[in-house]
Amino acid sequence: AQSVTQLGSHVSVSEGALVLLRCNYSSSVPPYLFWYVQYPNQGLQLLLKYTSAATLVKGINGFEAEFKKSETSFHLTKPSAHMSDAAEYFCAVIGSSNTGKLIFGQGTTLQVKP
Amino acid sequence: KAGVTQTPRYLIKTRGQQVTLSCSPISGHRSVSWYQQTPGQGLQFLFEYFSETQRNKGNFPGRFSGRQFSNSRSEMNVSTLELGDSALYLCASSLTGLDNEQFFGPGTRLTVL
Repeated sequence: AQSVTQLGSHVSVSEGALVLLRCNYSSSVPPYLFWYVQYPNQGLQLLLKYTSAATLVKGINGFEAEFKKSETSFHLTKPSAHMSDAAEYFCAVIGSSNTGKLIFGQGTTLQVKP
Repeated sequence: KAGVTQTPRYLIKTRGQQVTLSCSPISGHRSVSWYQQTPGQGLQFLFEYFSETQRNKGNFPGRFSGRQFSNSRSEMNVSTLELGDSALYLCASSLTGLDNEQFFGPGTRLTVL
């Protein structure tokens, strides 16, 4: 069964610092991988999606993630944090197209300090 | 283009009652999926409908059911409500399915007393 683990339920960074949110998946088959963001009192919004076309995926708002099959990881990064990045971030995995479930990690709350 | 809408936004019910939540997807989207979000369990997949057929299902009891209409609008029903059903229920739509970008609605906050 597919699963995804996000290391760290809370991450705090200073404005302008590097953002690193960790996600590891468990799968024997290259999965579909996503990062979603949930701003306070809002629904989720897709940040980026891994499609196997490239291991480094660029998303919206300056975020990117690198797929590393050998490490079964899909960590999310942003070079310089902005106050508006404060939100909850979810890594999600699906095993295969239209035949599985969309499994979310537990989420990581990102706090950005001025 | 209008986003995903969910009604009602807030709902208070008592144990044993049943509830129906509604979701209107983005125009042209044929896939609608439902999720339960709680502080303890996080985001959990309930089910996905595509062209009026349930295509995928999560690990929830039979009290949770859904359906999709010919216009892609979807409803989710929870019967015999339990206190643990209190949660934010999110609906998402996409063009073709779970491997495509999901567009989420604002959710329905259900409180069971």
